[in-house]
Amino acid sequence: NAGVTQTPKFQVLKTGQSMTLQCAQDMNHEYMSWYRQDPGMGLRLIHYSVGAGITDQGEVPNGYNVSRSTTEDFPLRLLSAAPSQTSVYFCASSYFNYKEAEAFFGQGTRLTVV
Amino acid sequence: AQTVTQSQPEMSVQEAETVTLSCTYDTSESNYYLFWYKQPPSRQMILVIRQEAYKQQNATENRFSVNFQKAAKSFSLKISDSQLGDTAMYFCAFMKSYGGSQGNLIFGKGTKLSVKP
Repeated sequence: NAGVTQTPKFQVLKTGQSMTLQCAQDMNHEYMSWYRQDPGMGLRLIHYSVGAGITDQGEVPNGYNVSRSTTEDFPLRLLSAAPSQTSVYFCASSYFNYKEAEAFFGQGTRLTVV
Repeated sequence: AQTVTQSQPEMSVQEAETVTLSCTYDTSESNYYLFWYKQPPSRQMILVIRQEAYKQQNATENRFSVNFQKAAKSFSLKISDSQLGDTAMYFCAFMKSYGGSQGNLIFGKGTKLSVKP
């Protein structure tokens, strides 16, 4: 029972490089999202998706790109890494209805841009 | 827009004692969900407890309980019989139950809890 699988766990990039953070879930949730965590800031929403083929911006979308071709996968792309993108990134998969809700998180990726 | 405020950046408690973490939120919604997440040094986000706004009864999970005051928009977490393994960052979070951006979590900035032996 994998839940949310997020890779890699650690990554160091040089300024200007690109990379993709992978996220996959096996719970058949329609809703998936990406957050970044910075010291003293809590977690902030980058992008989210309410189903395959549908994505939207969150609070801090600049410099990131997402796509959702399948229900299971929701990768996050950094097109040209900048030091300001040094952070810990979390992917989440959620379900909700009128009675209950829960979000499940991946293990996080610590990204350092030098 | 919704906001979540955790006014205690850091707290400490002696092992076996009780501690309460504060959380207030602002919303115009009448139905929503509130969560407390624990983040130990491993970085994993672990759901501690969840409260549905339509329920008047406060949620409890073993040593963890909440004091949900809907009118005051307050959602505090009480940890009883604190254990060393409770040392972690704790985040309060809000989620709408319907409408646009449903499913998005809005987090507070966190409270770093240290349990001392």
